[in-house]
Amino acid sequence: ETGVTQTPRHLVMGMTNKKSLKCEQHLGHNAMYWYKQSAKKPLELMFVYNFKEQTENNSVPSRFSPECPNSSHLFLHLHTLQPEDSALYLCASSQGRGSGANVLTFGAGSRLTVL
Amino acid sequence: GQNIDQPTEMTATEGAIVQINCTYQTSGFNGLFWYQQHAGEAPTFLSYNVLDGLEEKGRFSSFLSRSKGYSYLLLKELQMKDSASYLCAAKDSNYQLIWGAGTKLIIKP
Repeated sequence: ETGVTQTPRHLVMGMTNKKSLKCEQHLGHNAMYWYKQSAKKPLELMFVYNFKEQTENNSVPSRFSPECPNSSHLFLHLHTLQPEDSALYLCASSQGRGSGANVLTFGAGSRLTVL
Repeated sequence: GQNIDQPTEMTATEGAIVQINCTYQTSGFNGLFWYQQHAGEAPTFLSYNVLDGLEEKGRFSSFLSRSKGYSYLLLKELQMKDSASYLCAAKDSNYQLIWGAGTKLIIKP
């Protein structure tokens, strides 16, 4: 148990579907993140929330819509995705944001396949 | 631009020692991280270096040279469970993490 739980672990969706990924952390962390992990590529930071406020949006297409209702929960709403969006989506949390040494705690990821 | 380079894949033998190198080019520097990721699992934190030198944690050690923009992760007495991907990441002057693509380590009996 990593302390960060992601559901679902696997998701297959068509390009016209709407689905959501959920992330939950019980570590008391203030910052939460969405990353995209594609094979043989570096992790891509998508969104950052600090104390429920979105602080970063790294030029992510609008078909990805994040939501952070409280410091423990983070959602990624998906709609009209493209096949190239197929990837592992990782959620992470950390205590604070910006200091050098703050460590990320990751969830196991949601493997998304877009048909 | 900012960049992290690490080998794509390495193979080593159980019981041996392996060194995974990482070179980085960032705008400023606020530390270097190593994470381990087993297939289908979450990346987990291994080490953090911000000063030059070697940090040892049991079978794993991490080294940093800021002047050379270079780090390595040293794994001793390799075990089959060490088969995983190892991710190198450096923090730039804005505390943004710049990630490498990861090194897949294969351990053979």
